Amino acid sequence: DGGITQSPKYLFRKEGQNVTLSCEQNLNHDAMYWYRQDPGQGLRLIYYSQIVNDFQKGDIAEGYSVSREKKESFPLTVTSAQKNPTAFYLCASSMGGRVYEQYFGPGTRLTVT
Amino acid sequence: QKEVEQNSGPLSVPEGAIASLNCTYSDRGSQSFFWYRQYSGKSPELIMSIYSNGDKEDGRFTAQLNKASQYVSLLIRDSQPSDSATYLCAAGGATNKLIFGTGTLLAVQP
Repeated sequence: DGGITQSPKYLFRKEGQNVTLSCEQNLNHDAMYWYRQDPGQGLRLIYYSQIVNDFQKGDIAEGYSVSREKKESFPLTVTSAQKNPTAFYLCASSMGGRVYEQYFGPGTRLTVT
Repeated sequence: QKEVEQNSGPLSVPEGAIASLNCTYSDRGSQSFFWYRQYSGKSPELIMSIYSNGDKEDGRFTAQLNKASQYVSLLIRDSQPSDSATYLCAAGGATNKLIFGTGTLLAVQP
């Protein structure tokens, strides 16, 4: 079964703690993305990576960090510096190059109290 | 600021009718356009992509693109209650980044 997996589905943390969200894909896609979705708002790009060992900041990168050590994996760390971390986090991937269709994983709903 | 605008709705249509969803974008350099369907509490699912002016049909779905007017639309024929969802419009430029609208909530009434 080809697809994108994100774990866990729900995550609860106390304020001040760092937390890492997992994203894995077996689609052999070059590009991977992290978005955040808040109620009533569109998807906002946090970080993206078009190739292994390289990634770029999106529109709202402050308080987040990523790594891309393997083609299949693009974990996102939400640090204690992120002021409003409670949100629905979505990972996506695309073939890259001039193929722009992005496919999403099931998402992780993070609640920080 | 590059933007994609959608009416938030809700757009209410009776079962069997045509639902028409609209989207405008601000960046004239946008080259690729997508429609995603998102059920409540779920992740977005890609349903249509369009790159050239005109219409593109896939089953009950038709995407329409007018680059001169910077306008994209999605028509859903023979709407079903299972089509009730939020529809997200997205536009992409020369990079692999997409800009998403806030979505239109569609409610198909049985």
